[in-house]
Amino acid sequence: SAVISQKPSRDICQRGTSLTIQCQVDSQVTMMFWYRQQPGQSLTLIATANQGSEATYESGFVIDKFPISRPNLTFSTLTVSNMSPEDSSIYLCSVETSGGVNEQFFGPGTRLTVL
Amino acid sequence: AQSVAQPEDQVNVAEGNPLTVKCTYSVSGNPYLFWYVQYPNRGLQFLLKYITGDNLVKGSYGFEAEFNKSQTSFHLKKPSALVSDSALYFCAVRPTGANNLFFGTGTRLTVIP
Repeated sequence: SAVISQKPSRDICQRGTSLTIQCQVDSQVTMMFWYRQQPGQSLTLIATANQGSEATYESGFVIDKFPISRPNLTFSTLTVSNMSPEDSSIYLCSVETSGGVNEQFFGPGTRLTVL
Repeated sequence: AQSVAQPEDQVNVAEGNPLTVKCTYSVSGNPYLFWYVQYPNRGLQFLLKYITGDNLVKGSYGFEAEFNKSQTSFHLKKPSALVSDSALYFCAVRPTGANNLFFGTGTRLTVIP
């Protein structure tokens, strides 16, 4: 398994500002992902954070809005840029450890409210 | 297109009774299947997975799930529900060759004392 921490755990932000969410894992992992869980809805994958290269974004998500960094195998950041109330959501980091088909482990999430 | 369906938004069951949370999927190839649970104000926790082999897989907290290829289903079950099982349950699939998961919309399970 992997222990994942996220900072901040929650935040309330003003429209038009940006917030950077950090994800730290206690061990080196190959795959890191960022998901969004909008109120009352399921999880949607935003992007796969690739170490040493640009993130791979899913349809409907773009780098300008959700820039991602992954400087090493234990850390990643997701920035929510130029926020609007529609960005209010829980943002979750997840990791998959290497070797075989392993389950993904999820961080506790960052609850973002945009006013 | 990949899709995961959890037809019931809410499932209520009396404590001690068996429970079933349904999941069907539409994914190409032979996907890997997962169940996760989300307790209030807590992160998503892995329950169990099906990769290959025996169609009945056992997981954490006494849960099990049955893979049915012909019906493309992966229903979550538990023989005797506990009040502490009350939570939000998500079914997820990982298509062949993909790294990411596709999630269902979730089913809120309430176990009534």
